[in-house]
Amino acid sequence: SQELEQSPQSLIVQEGKNLTINCTSSKTLYGLYWYKQKYGEGLIFLMMLQKGGEEKSHEKITAKLDEKKQQSSLHITASQPSHAGIYLCGADMASGTYKYIFGTGTRLKVLA
Amino acid sequence: DSGVTQTPKHLITATGQRVTLRCSPRSGDLSVYWYQQSLDQGLQFLIQYYNGEERAKGNILERFSAQQFPDLHSELNLSSLELGDSALYFCASSKRGAHVAGELFFGEGSRLTVL
Repeated sequence: SQELEQSPQSLIVQEGKNLTINCTSSKTLYGLYWYKQKYGEGLIFLMMLQKGGEEKSHEKITAKLDEKKQQSSLHITASQPSHAGIYLCGADMASGTYKYIFGTGTRLKVLA
Repeated sequence: DSGVTQTPKHLITATGQRVTLRCSPRSGDLSVYWYQQSLDQGLQFLIQYYNGEERAKGNILERFSAQQFPDLHSELNLSSLELGDSALYFCASSKRGAHVAGELFFGEGSRLTVL
């Protein structure tokens, strides 16, 4: 099973709608990261969350990390076609390992 | 442009063959990460090097090996290739290698097709 689970796997929304993507870990995380990937291209960093309860925003994208540092959500307000792509959460796992792993990904399509 | 360079961009080879993928990290970055991305497995962590030393190992097959050289570039060697090895292989780099590695900068990937 995946160490980082994302939901939903895919999402199709009408332009202007809000949406939320979730990322859940079974372990406490040192750092939680959100990336965006366009099909067949490299990942682009969006945000990093470290502290329990932390929230960050960039343009119309807001990410939160829960108090236990095991779950994060990414919220897009008033979605645009430019938001389309694959969103992945990434994490430095706890327990002394330096593995930097990624979630299963959420494929977002925004209809104009 | 992330500053991470991967070569080759595309590679087509036959089963049983061996290939080498190369990665040059961003200037000043000491850590290099390798990932494999396929449709059914998602983005899988393979291995990480920090300043020439192996730092973490993920789901890397025994047929695969990697190293980081003194000039910090890295190579991923894939041998006895199978059809299932067809995937997009990414290299990423960061300044840090410890806990909370921070932002990773990804290359554009090397697309490997095994026929």
